Amino acid sequence: AQSVTQLDSQVPVFEEAPVELRCNYSSSVSVYLFWYVQYPNQGLQLLLKYLSGSTLVKGINGFEAEFNKSQTSFHLRKPSVHISDTAEYFCAVSLPNDYKLSFGAGTTVTVRA
Amino acid sequence: DGGITQSPKYLFRKEGQNVTLSCEQNLNHDAMYWYRQDPGQGLRLIYYSQIVNDFQKGDIAEGYSVSREKKESFPLTVTSAQKNPTAFYLCASRGEVLQETQYFGPGTRLLVL
Repeated sequence: AQSVTQLDSQVPVFEEAPVELRCNYSSSVSVYLFWYVQYPNQGLQLLLKYLSGSTLVKGINGFEAEFNKSQTSFHLRKPSVHISDTAEYFCAVSLPNDYKLSFGAGTTVTVRA
Repeated sequence: DGGITQSPKYLFRKEGQNVTLSCEQNLNHDAMYWYRQDPGQGLRLIYYSQIVNDFQKGDIAEGYSVSREKKESFPLTVTSAQKNPTAFYLCASRGEVLQETQYFGPGTRLLVL
């Protein structure tokens, strides 16, 4: 079975600074990888996903992630954050023929002025 | 407007009471999912349905029940057997186009009186 570890539970960052959220996964087979964002008391919104091909994936709101197969990682980055990026971020994995998602515990990003 | 709706936004349950959370989608998606979210634990899969009149248990199905009588509806009942029901419940759906991607509703917060 596949699993996901988000290495940071909380990430404080100043406005206009870069941010990186770390995600590692374990699986014996190829997987699909996702990053979702959740604003307070709301559902999840898809930021980006990796299915195959180019290892650098660009998403919405200026986010990007890089798939690294050798390190089994899928870290999320943004070069300059805004106050509005304050949210919880979830990394998730699924199998290509199954589509059930396994989620990490989440990383809370707090952006300060 | 296509999307997923969940109602109510907040729900209160008394001891020994069954309560039902509603999830409706007008995206014409075949697959639907229920997740439970607790602080610091990410999302855990309760039940899922790939097609009308069929559903499967997820990782934490005990104390919950579902039905899938219509394509657009996937209600979740939290029974009195669920001893710790306080959580945020999220419904998701997935279609044939971009079939790897799940789309989430706004969630229902269940509180025990």
